[in-house]
Amino acid sequence: KAGVTQTPRYLIKTRGQQVTLSCSPISGHRSVSWYQQTPGQGLQFLFEYFSETQRNKGNFPGRFSGRQFSNSRSEMNVSTLELGDSALYLCASSPGTGGQDTQYFGPGTRLTVL
Amino acid sequence: AQSVTQPDIHITVSEGASLELRCNYSYGATPYLFWYVQSPGQGLQLLLKYFSGDTLVQGIKGFEAEFKRSQSSFNLRKPSVHWSDAAEYFCAVGHPNTNAGKSTFGDGTTLTVKP
Repeated sequence: KAGVTQTPRYLIKTRGQQVTLSCSPISGHRSVSWYQQTPGQGLQFLFEYFSETQRNKGNFPGRFSGRQFSNSRSEMNVSTLELGDSALYLCASSPGTGGQDTQYFGPGTRLTVL
Repeated sequence: AQSVTQPDIHITVSEGASLELRCNYSYGATPYLFWYVQSPGQGLQLLLKYFSGDTLVQGIKGFEAEFKRSQSSFNLRKPSVHWSDAAEYFCAVGHPNTNAGKSTFGDGTTLTVKP
């Protein structure tokens, strides 16, 4: 099976711009979760989508949003970028059946905000 | 709320030496526990997980972890470290009634392996 893919792998934006990141889960997986990873804050949960619905949400401002399509691919969007949004954004897919699911992570998108 | 503490930010061991990475969790009941490894420029890969049953869990790449309820710990061990084990290791805790995507991760331990 192909793994989780994320595009683009690297992105440079300036403050105030918006950005859209894409995640294609493993075939058959219905859950996609997004995480932000920074040296100062570590890995922080953004949100999870399951069957096109947001099922869980972390503690991030409304500038961070996402969606999931019928083929389980997911996008996350960050509007009005701030310097502090520079991070590695990871997505993870899982079958979505429960807490015992193994999450499979993509390689991440490295976002740099100038 | 659940939380995870990895007390060691950075550990250095010699190749061939044994390894133990510490993880302590805070949760009211028995959580789901995970260890992941992240190599530079890569995403996270699951090493092993514990839900119930035998408290000694075997994982991939020769790793094992032991769940100790009395100490709220889930330490990761490997008897003989290889240079390729150099990476960052994350412990994570999940709630049995929470979907997998809502796990809480520790801050990670960076492992350096000396030749």
